[in-house]
Amino acid sequence: GQQLNQSPQSMFIQEGEDVSMNCTSSSIFNTWLWYKQEPGEGPVLLIALYKAGELTSNGRLTAQFGITRKDSFLNISASIPSDVGIYFCAGKRGGADGLTFGKGTHLIIQP
Amino acid sequence: DGGITQSPKYLFRKEGQNVTLSCEQNLNHDAMYWYRQDPGQGLRLIYYSQIVNDFQKGDIAEGYSVSREKKESFPLTVTSAQKNPTAFYLCASTGTSLGEQYFGPGTRLTVT
Repeated sequence: GQQLNQSPQSMFIQEGEDVSMNCTSSSIFNTWLWYKQEPGEGPVLLIALYKAGELTSNGRLTAQFGITRKDSFLNISASIPSDVGIYFCAGKRGGADGLTFGKGTHLIIQP
Repeated sequence: DGGITQSPKYLFRKEGQNVTLSCEQNLNHDAMYWYRQDPGQGLRLIYYSQIVNDFQKGDIAEGYSVSREKKESFPLTVTSAQKNPTAFYLCASTGTSLGEQYFGPGTRLTVT
């Protein structure tokens, strides 16, 4: 099955820096979701996007649903130590279909 | 507390044995899902169920089986036919058609 192309694979940043990651697909999705996963735990939903062009914020996180419906990005502003983890994008085509995931972006914050 | 529970957290089995992973939700969600995660990888869909007594294969269903006899429960059996069963297994559910899936804490299965 398809997996989404997520980049970068990992990021090493200083506390306080802004972070940007993105996800692309060769096919269209009707919903884009961003999750964060910590070691040994299940993913936690951060932001859900439902319309092409939609820009949604959740605190310091902002995500956009690409106008072509084939991509999405996530920005984190002013990173803090608790932002460390693996961020996954996921797309859904419709109904109660399962999600298609990217391989994740591993965010590491250096003090 | 509403949520999704998976048990046990860690499971060890010998090769050739079938093993069943539990997933229970008290969110009154209709649809439930099983995903597999391997190190450094995203999640891949094994099976999903939109309503009781109905389920569909996902991208990697070979070697797995499921049942959905109750709305709250969606157990996954990893059979001896699964060639590489060691992985982190995650269960999810959704109560809307919009796509927001919520995940349980996962079960790490090790087969030796």
